[in-house]
Amino acid sequence: GESVGLHLPTLSVQEGDNSIINCAYSNSASDYFIWYKQESGKGPQFIIDIRSNMDKRQGQRVTVLLNKTVKHLSLQIAATQPGDSAVYFCAENLGGGGADGLTFGKGTHLIIQP
Amino acid sequence: EPEVTQTPSHQVTQMGQEVILRCVPISNHLYFYWYRQILGQKVEFLVSFYNNEISEKSEIFDDQFSVERPDGSNFTLKIRSTKLEDSAMYFCASSARYNEQFFGPGTRLTVL
Repeated sequence: GESVGLHLPTLSVQEGDNSIINCAYSNSASDYFIWYKQESGKGPQFIIDIRSNMDKRQGQRVTVLLNKTVKHLSLQIAATQPGDSAVYFCAENLGGGGADGLTFGKGTHLIIQP
Repeated sequence: EPEVTQTPSHQVTQMGQEVILRCVPISNHLYFYWYRQILGQKVEFLVSFYNNEISEKSEIFDDQFSVERPDGSNFTLKIRSTKLEDSAMYFCASSARYNEQFFGPGTRLTVL
């Protein structure tokens, strides 16, 4: 089976509310995790990353939480806006070098309701 | 803001033909990558490139695929004899340091 996956394929949230997107990974050796946002017809856009020596990292309106005990990653988006509607992917890096490929999860489609 | 660019945006080809997808990574980046995304599916890693050689490749990246950095700015992916199942979005990415990869807008490859 794949190393990185997502719990829900679609998440619908009211504009202004907070959203939480979840991701599970199976490889305890993974040491780096990234959240990407992909809008229709575009490439993945980097949102935020976190290393395995941290359990929380905050950006502008976004927070990533890492629970290594249960191998779980989440992305919290505060005060959602229409522009947040997109597919969100978590990705992990299994290697230790500088040019290692990322393993992506299937993606969660976030829909912001007006 | 610097960005990764890719050409063409859409490539249509006949099965068995060779295609070359082109990318211009961000200028001060050292690591380059190709990924593909079949319609409706997740993004899949193909290959990474550093210091003028392949650093890592996936099972997808078989002998039909090759990459090249022909000059100081371009990074190309060649598929020698395209198959129907090669139809996908192909994304180039680059990074300056460990792991923070920035993606281009993609090339949609359609094999007929």
